[in-house]
Amino acid sequence: EPEVTQTPSHQVTQMGQEVILRCVPISNHLYFYWYRQILGQKVEFLVSFYNNEISEKSEIFDDQFSVERPDGSNFTLKIRSTKLEDSAMYFCASSDSPLNTEAFFGQGTRLTVV
Amino acid sequence: RKEVEQDPGPFNVPEGATVAFNCTYSNSASQSFFWYRQDCRKEPKLLMSVYSSGNEDGRFTAQLNRASQYISLLIRDSKLSDSATYLCVVNNKDSGGGADGLTFGKGTHLIIQP
Repeated sequence: EPEVTQTPSHQVTQMGQEVILRCVPISNHLYFYWYRQILGQKVEFLVSFYNNEISEKSEIFDDQFSVERPDGSNFTLKIRSTKLEDSAMYFCASSDSPLNTEAFFGQGTRLTVV
Repeated sequence: RKEVEQDPGPFNVPEGATVAFNCTYSNSASQSFFWYRQDCRKEPKLLMSVYSSGNEDGRFTAQLNRASQYISLLIRDSKLSDSATYLCVVNNKDSGGGADGLTFGKGTHLIIQP
């Protein structure tokens, strides 16, 4: 069964550093997403990406964040100047429809900022 | 602001019992509705989509009431493996293309007891 893969599974970084979280969406999907889940809280939408550009972003996704699809397979989330409150699980998802007929989620990257 | 509200539980239910969850959503223009399941520290996985006519998948039945803006999930003959957090999820995007994120509820925690 096709799946979304994310690397690394766990990233520890010092406050102020930059991190890049990587995702390989399902190969025939066209719509890509990043979500985050702070421990004990709900899953929150960050950004959606389609046709090589951001389609929508939430108020969480400020200038500290950026996304990129550097090649035909990878989809990355860059977080600059990390803060303690950026510690969370970051999920990548992809779908073949804008209505998210089914959004497939990767297993997540647990980011710990120390 | 788009919100999805759920009773966080936990619901402690004996094996074999029937359990029902409800959720309400605030955006009357919401287009698509889903129940996702999330196991502890894992990614959300689609349990089922929810249609206006109601739909059933084995032991699971989902209902949508657009007038009251609420969604329900019924689990019959509950199994130990049903223990998880059940996430009510709404997509607000119309069919105009691009991509929109999913709005998640905080989830209802279900514990099936032997």
